[in-house]
Parts: sequence; structure tokens; C-alpha cells
Amino acid sequence: GAVVSQHPSRVICKSGTSVKIECRSLDFQATTMFWYRQFPKQSLMLMATSNEGSKATYEQGVEKDKFLINHASLTLSTLTVTSAHPEDSSFYICSAGGQGVSTDTQYFGPGTRLTVL
Amino acid sequence: SQELEQSPQSLIVQEGKNLTINCTSSKTLYGLYWYKQKYGEGLIFLMMLQKGGEEKSHEKITAKLDEKKQQSSLHITASQPSHAGIYLCGADVFGSGNTGKLIFGQGTTLQVKP
Repeated sequence: GAVVSQHPSRVICKSGTSVKIECRSLDFQATTMFWYRQFPKQSLMLMATSNEGSKATYEQGVEKDKFLINHASLTLSTLTVTSAHPEDSSFYICSAGGQGVSTDTQYFGPGTRLTVL
Repeated sequence: SQELEQSPQSLIVQEGKNLTINCTSSKTLYGLYWYKQKYGEGLIFLMMLQKGGEEKSHEKITAKLDEKKQQSSLHITASQPSHAGIYLCGADVFGSGNTGKLIFGQGTTLQVKP
């Protein structure tokens, strides 16, 4: 079955630094990837939709200058948390989709835990 | 208000007991996904439902989607400690043309006491 990977799985950084998280579809081409954020003991909140070759679409309340998304190829989307602060500490999960990708399963990455000190 | 309401928020059951988790939407569910998550880890896909009245089972877990496609339930029979975790329902409420975007319920934390 389709596999989505995320890197890194965990990252700890100092306040004010930027962190890049990668989401890769390993055996299929994902024209669309979705980025979610999950705070402790809460559900997943969709942050943005990443479309290959075009600008990402952000959900209401998500700062696009804070969370930079790049979907440069059909197998890779990156989320960069710029000038990270402790309130950005969260669990970030991506999922892959797009035309031609079966929606029967929904392919989620294993997540990245970001801790900002 | 939440577009996708999940209940209960938490559940503690004795091993061997049955339990049900509900997921209700104010919109039509074009696809309803059930996941299990261990805290701080990724999502484990359980089942996906699309048709009104559809029911699917896997081992001791059964998921149903009502005829009106606005409510789903997840039923676990004879619960075991291995069933413990967070159960999330995710829904496609966008319909035709959606390429995979989902909204999620708040999650149900299940504890199973041996």
C-alpha cells in the first residue's frame, strides 16, 4: 500500500529558529498534500492544502508567513515553521492525496513532534 | 461549534465489555474514516465508509454509517487492553472534487481496564 514518510520524527529547537518538516509520498505521486496540527489531547486541525506547483491554500487563522509550505515535486511537500516560538510546539502530521490517488484509505505520515524551547 | 462532533470524549471500560463511539456531522458525509492513534504517534487507519447504511467489520471492530450519511458509529466487541488509545473520526464533507481533505472530530480516549 501507499506509504507517506515524514522527517524528522522529532525536533527540538530554540525560540526564534526556523524548522523544516518534510513529507514524502514514497511509492505514488501526490498532487495534493495536507498539513495538520495536533495539540496535546486535542484533535487534528487542518492547517493548509499543499498543491504541487502552486501556492498552498491556508485555513482560516493560519498565518501563511509563519508556516511556509512548498510542494516542489509530486512526492515532496515541506512545511517550514519560521521564527518558532513555544506556542508552536505541537504534533504536525501530513497526509497525501490528489487526483488518481485512492481515497479509500487516506495516507497519513507518522507525524513530527516539534518542541520549541 | 464543531462541524464533526465525537462522543464520548473519554471512555473507561472493563476488559471484555462492549463499547460504542459516535461521530455526528451537521453536513453530509461523503466519506467517513475511523482512525486509532496512540498519543504522540501517527494515525492507524481502521475503516472507511461511503454509502448510506454501510457497515464494515474488522476483527472485533464494526463501523456503521447511517442512511442519511450524517452519523457514524464505531463499536468494539469484547474490548481488550490492546484496544486502548485515541479514536478519531475524519470526514470528507466537501464532496465531488475533493482530493483528500478531511475534518476531524475531537477524538475519544479509550482506556480498557484489565
